[in-house]
Amino acid sequence: SQTIHQWPATLVQPVGSPLSLECTVEGTSNPNLYWYRQAAGRGLQLLFYSVGIGQISSEVPQNLSASRPQDRQFILSSKKLLLSDSGFYLCAWSEGNRDSPLHFGNGTRLTVT
Amino acid sequence: GNSVTQMEGPVTLSEEAFLTINCTYTATGYPSLFWYVQYPGEGLQLLLKATKADDKGSNKGFEATYRKETTSFHLEKGSVQVSDSAVYFCARIYTGGFKTIFGAGTRLFVKA
Repeated sequence: SQTIHQWPATLVQPVGSPLSLECTVEGTSNPNLYWYRQAAGRGLQLLFYSVGIGQISSEVPQNLSASRPQDRQFILSSKKLLLSDSGFYLCAWSEGNRDSPLHFGNGTRLTVT
Repeated sequence: GNSVTQMEGPVTLSEEAFLTINCTYTATGYPSLFWYVQYPGEGLQLLLKATKADDKGSNKGFEATYRKETTSFHLEKGSVQVSDSAVYFCARIYTGGFKTIFGAGTRLFVKA
């Protein structure tokens, strides 16, 4: 069966520090991969998605970037965190067909101080 | 365009009450529709889905019917439990692509 791992679960970082969140998927090949952010008490904002290795689509211009160095690995990064980057970050994957639902990781709670 | 609108919460019910959470979508093409549930501190889980008009998705006592004529996909459950307390998200696949668009979420509180 397929599983998705996302870490760390929680992170407290000072303003101006770098960020690296990692997500890996097991049990499937060539998945579509996604990073979402959920601000406190609000809905989900799609940040990045990828349909293949090295391919990244950005939805919102911002202080973050994403990379997909391997088929089942998706990384969210920042060179310098802002206070507004605080939130709950969710990684997800889906099958390649267009009707496939998303499968989410357990999320990373990021607090920028 | 591509959007999803769901009723604002929070919704507070007593145990065994009937639940309805309304969801409507913009009628661009024939998107697949989903309901996801998020328990405190966790990621989202797929609750149910429907891929074409008149399809009924169901899971764990929850149901939703894909209504093309009213562009709706309302979530219902006949008798809620305390364990159903969570945030519920209606969602659709972005027409012509792979992206999923979510509603704002509806928080449900069920009291014993």
